[in-house]
Amino acid sequence: QLQLQESGPGLVKPSETLSLTCTVSGGSISSSNYYWGWIRQPPGKGLEYIGYIRHTGSTYYNSSLKSRVTISAYPSKSQFSLNLSSLTAADTAVYYCAGAVDGTAAFDIWGQGTMVAVSS
Amino acid sequence: QSALTQPASVSGSPGQSITISCTGTSSDVGTYNLVSWYQQHPGKAPKLMIYDVTKRPSGVSDRFSGSKSGNTASLTISGLQAEDEADYYCCSYAGAGNTVIFGGGTKLTVL
Repeated sequence: QLQLQESGPGLVKPSETLSLTCTVSGGSISSSNYYWGWIRQPPGKGLEYIGYIRHTGSTYYNSSLKSRVTISAYPSKSQFSLNLSSLTAADTAVYYCAGAVDGTAAFDIWGQGTMVAVSS
Repeated sequence: QSALTQPASVSGSPGQSITISCTGTSSDVGTYNLVSWYQQHPGKAPKLMIYDVTKRPSGVSDRFSGSKSGNTASLTISGLQAEDEADYYCCSYAGAGNTVIFGGGTKLTVL
């Protein structure tokens, strides 16, 4: 059974770059069945799609964040990562990593989420 | 790219049925049968309840059902139970750039 776990800093400064890692257990991220994504949720607000990476290495990003986002995969470590640059207070949110069966656009596996605050 | 439109809140009594709508455009909901619904309890990660408009993942109660007409998708919960009280989000594939778009969320209150 696949499980996901996010890790990274809980506090980052404005203008810096956020780096988060998602560790996948119970399976391989190289599986052609799944793609791996990031979704965030500002306090008290709704879900926002950030982007995802396919087993081929192809990446797809929310157009509103595209200039600041990089998602990478590290199959040997069963991990994938999120880098978000030029942070502002508006990037304060719970960040979730998630997996979706390819072809469904539906995230059926989620990490527990990690809270990231952007503040000096 | 704007979020899909959902009512901010809905409510119902135990045993009743409720429907949550999710309105998009011809670029997302109206074109692709790739609409999903998520349930989120406070402080918890979202849980997939419906995918591909009408399909239920294994383990999800058959009290939850999905449908779509034109640019609007709907989630119906029948036989409301107290544990159904949560936030619900719709989501659709949006084509170009392989993007995904979420609705603003609906708070379901079980009276």
